[in-house]
Amino acid sequence: QQQVKQSPQSLIVQKGGISIINCAYENTAFDYFPWYQQFPGKGPALLIAIRPDVSEKKEGRFTISFNKSAKQFSLHIMDSQPGDSATYFCAATSIQTSGSRLTFGEGTQLTVNP
Amino acid sequence: NAGVTQTPKFRVLKTGQSMTLLCAQDMNHEYMYWYRQDPGMGLRLIHYSVGEGTTAKGEVPDGYNVSRLKKQNFLLGLESAAPSQTSVYFCASRENNQPQHFGDGTRLSIL
Repeated sequence: QQQVKQSPQSLIVQKGGISIINCAYENTAFDYFPWYQQFPGKGPALLIAIRPDVSEKKEGRFTISFNKSAKQFSLHIMDSQPGDSATYFCAATSIQTSGSRLTFGEGTQLTVNP
Repeated sequence: NAGVTQTPKFRVLKTGQSMTLLCAQDMNHEYMYWYRQDPGMGLRLIHYSVGEGTTAKGEVPDGYNVSRLKKQNFLLGLESAAPSQTSVYFCASRENNQPQHFGDGTRLSIL
């Protein structure tokens, strides 16, 4: 079963707008939550990550918001640009488990129109 | 510095054929992973390795085997390919407490 649920499946935003992608998890042992960005024909690349001891992390135009009690976290892309058009995956893992295996969400295809 | 290199990039197989996908990393990473990516399902872990000579099952291991004889290489084998194994396969590696680095994938079609 999918332990990390991601929505929406696809998202269309105008240039300059805010893109918001949401994820929910079930396993309370998860303690590391990365977001990956994937362009067509390429592998995923780490975008930004958060640990549950903080509620928000910001890097440039990208912000993760984390709600531990609700077991939810989200990615906000401010001032979205056409170059941000890609597929985004949330993921979760427990650092303590063997191999720190990542569990991925289903992915969100983001299109930013010029 | 090539990072994570996957070979081949594309392959078409017939049902029942066997093949091996190669993943090579030049970062001296301990951990290596094989995923498959299917539309609407994200990336699912097939097998992984926590060091040279070790392998372990992931979420979807059936129909696949792996070997990690050398630290830099992680091989994924399909002994008897099935159409359900048509997918894009990604390899990743990482060092302890560091994020995973992914290759650019192998696109595999099984007819």
